[in-house]
Amino acid sequence: GAVVSQHPSWVICKSGTSVKIECRSLDFQATTMFWYRQFPKQSLMLMATSNEGSKATYEQGVEKDKFLINHASLTLSTLTVTSAHPEDSSFYICSARTQGTANSPLHFGNGTRLTVT
Amino acid sequence: GDSVTQMEGPVTLSEEAFLTINCTYTATGYPSLFWYVQYPGEGLQLLLKATKADDKGSNKGFEATYRKETTSFHLEKGSVQVSDSAVYFCACDFSGYSTLTFGKGTMLLVSP
Repeated sequence: GAVVSQHPSWVICKSGTSVKIECRSLDFQATTMFWYRQFPKQSLMLMATSNEGSKATYEQGVEKDKFLINHASLTLSTLTVTSAHPEDSSFYICSARTQGTANSPLHFGNGTRLTVT
Repeated sequence: GDSVTQMEGPVTLSEEAFLTINCTYTATGYPSLFWYVQYPGEGLQLLLKATKADDKGSNKGFEATYRKETTSFHLEKGSVQVSDSAVYFCACDFSGYSTLTFGKGTMLLVSP
């Protein structure tokens, strides 16, 4: 089955530093990847939609300069949290849709736990 | 606007009990409906789905039927196991392009 690998699974960083999270589709090509943020005991909130070779589409209220998304290939999207602050601590999850299949189920990575101290 | 409402948890059951987790949606169109499961410290896994009215999705003993008349997609299982303990998310694709809207999730705790 389709596998999405997310790395790292957890990261601790100091306030003011930047952190990059990778999302890879291992056995399929993903023209579209999605980045979510999950707060404790809450649902997933869509942050942005990442399309290969073009700029990401951010949801309302998400700072594009703070959460940089790059989707340089059909198998890799990255989320960089720039100048991280404690309030950025959260669980970040990516997902990918199989190429050419709109309305198909998404395949999720296992998430990245970010803790900013 | 389009939205998903899911019953709040936690839901605490004994092993072999019957499970129902309610999910309703509000939409102007006919979304595709999904149930995802999240085990502790992990990402989401698709549990089942339904793409049109009266469809029944099923997997691992779980079932949910797309009810257009009540705009619902309730998750059921006849006999839960301890290993079913997880958070369950109802989700809708209102756009048709995999942009999912999630419910708030329901934690299920099954005791032996």
